[in-house]
Amino acid sequence: AQKITQTQPGMFVQEKEAVTLDCTYDTSDPSYGLFWYKQPSSGEMIFLIYQGSYDQQNATEGRYSLNFQKARKSANLVISASQLGDSAMYFCAMSQLPYLAGGTSYGKLTFGQGTILTVHP
Amino acid sequence: NAGVTQTPKFQVLKTGQSMTLQCAQDMNHEYMSWYRQDPGMGLRLIHYSVGAGITDQGEVPNGYNVSRSTTEDFPLRLLSAAPSQTSVYFCASSPLDGDSEPQHFGDGTRLSIL
Repeated sequence: AQKITQTQPGMFVQEKEAVTLDCTYDTSDPSYGLFWYKQPSSGEMIFLIYQGSYDQQNATEGRYSLNFQKARKSANLVISASQLGDSAMYFCAMSQLPYLAGGTSYGKLTFGQGTILTVHP
Repeated sequence: NAGVTQTPKFQVLKTGQSMTLQCAQDMNHEYMSWYRQDPGMGLRLIHYSVGAGITDQGEVPNGYNVSRSTTEDFPLRLLSAAPSQTSVYFCASSPLDGDSEPQHFGDGTRLSIL
């Protein structure tokens, strides 16, 4: 079974500073995908960034980067130059990749409990 | 481009009532799923489907039914609502052939069972 752990219930950061949101995972599968989603107070789920377990480079998307340490089973999200609009709940999630699943586990996401990020002006 | 559309956005039910949460996507995605979000617990998978006519259970399927008669639609049915089903429900979709394709979420349905 897959498990995602986000140990920071809440984080605070000053505007324009960088912040790291922690995510550790547990799985016995050799291949998997790691995702980060943002959920603002309006409630929608917004995809931020993806990292495949076999990707050699850490994923980056604009101000978001994923610090992937496979041996430590961690996939921390780094937000550079925080903005007030970054204040939201952030979820780390993991999926089992299709070609391991025999066609029955496509896209199943396991989510962490989330971290509430507050950006101060 | 509408993406994933969920209706209704809000609903209040009495214990024992039944209802159907609607989910439709216009991206021709094979994979669709339903999650529930409870405070402090993140999102948990209820049911999912890899194509029309194919559904399977997720982590918390009890009390919910699904069917997939078309690629576009994936309704979630509560047969006899219970207060424990008070939650925010999200529908999501993605293609099957891209392992890095993120799931696209609807805006959610906030459901209260009295």
